[in-house]
Amino acid sequence: NAGVTQTPKFRILKIGQSMTLQCTQDMNHNYMYWYRQDPGMGLKLIYYSVGAGITDKGEVPNGYNVSRSTTEDFPLRLELAAPSQTSVYFCASSLSDRQSNYGYTFGSGTRLTVV
Amino acid sequence: DQQVKQNSPSLSVQEGRISILNCDYTNSMFDYFLWYKKYPAEGPTFLISISSIKDKNEDGRFTVFLNKSAKHLSLHIVPSQPGDSAVYFCASLSGNTPLVFGKGTRLSVIA
Repeated sequence: NAGVTQTPKFRILKIGQSMTLQCTQDMNHNYMYWYRQDPGMGLKLIYYSVGAGITDKGEVPNGYNVSRSTTEDFPLRLELAAPSQTSVYFCASSLSDRQSNYGYTFGSGTRLTVV
Repeated sequence: DQQVKQNSPSLSVQEGRISILNCDYTNSMFDYFLWYKKYPAEGPTFLISISSIKDKNEDGRFTVFLNKSAKHLSLHIVPSQPGDSAVYFCASLSGNTPLVFGKGTRLSVIA
C-alpha cells in the first residue's frame, strides 16, 4: 500500500518557469490537500479538494492552481515560479473532512527551490 | 493571525524523563485537535488526537491533555526515548474545515 505518493522529490526552477507537482493516493480518500512548509514555519494550506471536480482555496493560494479530475490525483501547478515559492510542499489525503483517529496521510514532500 | 500557536521552537529532554509540548489556540470553534510527528525528509505522521468533548486521551507513552477554558493543549511523552526526537506539530480543525497547523516544536531526546 503506497499511501500518498509525491513526485518529484526535489526540483530547482528558474524564475518564471512553470511546473506541476504530482500527488497520487491509492487509499480511495475523498479529501486531498496541498500544504507548504517554509523554514521555521508550520504547514500552510494552499488548496484542498473534497472530491473529484471540486477544489477550494486555502490560506496561501496565490501563484498556484489545482485540478481534481479523479479521486486518486491532485496535481499542483505553478505557472510563473517566484523565489517566494521556494518551500517544501506536502500533499495529504483523508477519508472525509474528519477522521476520528488517524488524521491526514501525508506524502514525503517535494522540495522546490526557485532561483 | 496565527490560530494555533506553539511558542517553544525547541525542547531538550533527557532519555527516560517526561517531555511536555504545549500548544495554544485562539479559535473557539476548534473542536478537534491532533498532534503530528515529523522526521527530516519525511511527511508528518499522525500521533494522537483528542475531541473537544474530552480532556484527556492516552495512547501508550503519549497522552494529550485539553484545557478548553484556557484554549490550551499539551502532549506528554513518558518515558522519552531517543527515537522521539523529531518536530511535533499541533493541529486543529472545526467542522468541515481543513487542519490548521502550528509552527512546530523540535524535540531532542538526549541519551
